[in-house]
Amino acid sequence: ELKVEQNPLFLSMQEGKNYTIYCNYSTTSDRLYWYRQDPGKSLESLFVLLSNGAVKQEGRLMASLDTKARLSTLHITAAVHDLSATYFCAVGYSGGGADGLTFGKGTHLIIQP
Amino acid sequence: NAGVMQNPRHLVRRRGQEARLRCSPMKGHSHVYWYRQLPEEGLKFMVYLQKENIIDESGMPKERFSAEFPKEGPSILRIQQVVRGDSAAYFCASSPPEGLRGEKLFFGSGTQLSVL
Repeated sequence: ELKVEQNPLFLSMQEGKNYTIYCNYSTTSDRLYWYRQDPGKSLESLFVLLSNGAVKQEGRLMASLDTKARLSTLHITAAVHDLSATYFCAVGYSGGGADGLTFGKGTHLIIQP
Repeated sequence: NAGVMQNPRHLVRRRGQEARLRCSPMKGHSHVYWYRQLPEEGLKFMVYLQKENIIDESGMPKERFSAEFPKEGPSILRIQQVVRGDSAAYFCASSPPEGLRGEKLFFGSGTQLSVL
């Protein structure tokens, strides 16, 4: 059974600081997703990572994937208040015969002015 | 191009009633996924459907829950004889015919089911 663990689960930080959210998963995967969710809203797709060493950046967010360590990171640079949200990583394995993703519990990020 | 459309946005049911949640995928998408989210939790995969076929229902509870995606019309997630533990946000997502081969999975706005 594929398990996905995120840490930290809660993070409060100040604007302008840098921080990293970690996503570990337990078995082989061929794709990893990062999503953002605002309270009461749906999930917004941020990144799709498909290969070892993949790095993607958009604005103040950068995601990377290390398939050997089964680890993905979401790095926040010079945080701003608008980035406050819950961030989920999700892992999938197409070879398993299904495209259902396994989600982590999410990281609740609060960025204070 | 409208996104994934779910309705209703909010659904209130009493214990023992039936709940029907609808999902229309993005235009051109033929794969639909249903997920359930409990408070303070991540999404849990329930079922994966293509038109007229259930591909993977490994996440569906064995009783009371069913899903369909007919040739015409939206996908339906049906919960019979609802119980309080069914209260959750139910999200639908869709993907193109080639599936999730590197594609982003687009989610609808969800249906918040509350069971009284």
